[in-house]
Amino acid sequence: AQTVTQSQPEMSVQEAETVTLSCTYDTSESDYYLFWYKQPPSRQMILVIRQEAYKQQNATENRFSVNFQKAAKSFSLKISDSQLGDAAMYFCAYRKTSGSRLTFGEGTQLTVNP
Amino acid sequence: GAVVSQHPSRVICKSGTSVKIECRSLDFQATTMFWYRQFPKQSLMLMATSNEGSKATYEQGVEKDKFLINHASLTLSTLTVTSAHPEDSSFYICSARRKRGGTDTQYFGPGTRLTVL
Repeated sequence: AQTVTQSQPEMSVQEAETVTLSCTYDTSESDYYLFWYKQPPSRQMILVIRQEAYKQQNATENRFSVNFQKAAKSFSLKISDSQLGDAAMYFCAYRKTSGSRLTFGEGTQLTVNP
Repeated sequence: GAVVSQHPSRVICKSGTSVKIECRSLDFQATTMFWYRQFPKQSLMLMATSNEGSKATYEQGVEKDKFLINHASLTLSTLTVTSAHPEDSSFYICSARRKRGGTDTQYFGPGTRLTVL
């Protein structure tokens, strides 16, 4: 069974600084997707970024980028120039290419300090 | 972007009554929808996978007779909590799967807070 682990329950960052959230996963599959979702206080889940395992290039979406290390089964999220609106719970998630269900990590609560 | 709505956003009911929660994909068709439950400060727990026109697939430990799921159209899935009890109080989130242009992504509704008195 696939598992996703986020070892940082809480993180904090100063506004305008950079922060990295960690995620590791365990799978025997070679083809899969990885995601970072953001859940702000409104509790609406928002897709931040997606990575296909077959792509070596790390995905980037504006201030958000990932460091995907397939051999190490690591998928960290870097947030650059942090903004107050980035404060949220961040969930790492895994999905098999052939499947539809997502497996979520435990989440990391990010606080952005002004 | 893809939009998924949920209704109601919050509901309070008496113990023993049934509550229906609707999940709609507003701008795309979703053959598959998912229902999650989330406790405070915890991750999302998948309850069931809902496929249009067929029976839902429930996760282990989820009572299918208590949490009735219907996916009658490509844009609507409903979750009915039957004979609700205080321990059913939780935040329920749905998501809809959209396949487009080689990508396959789940988009989430805003959630429903259920309080059972």
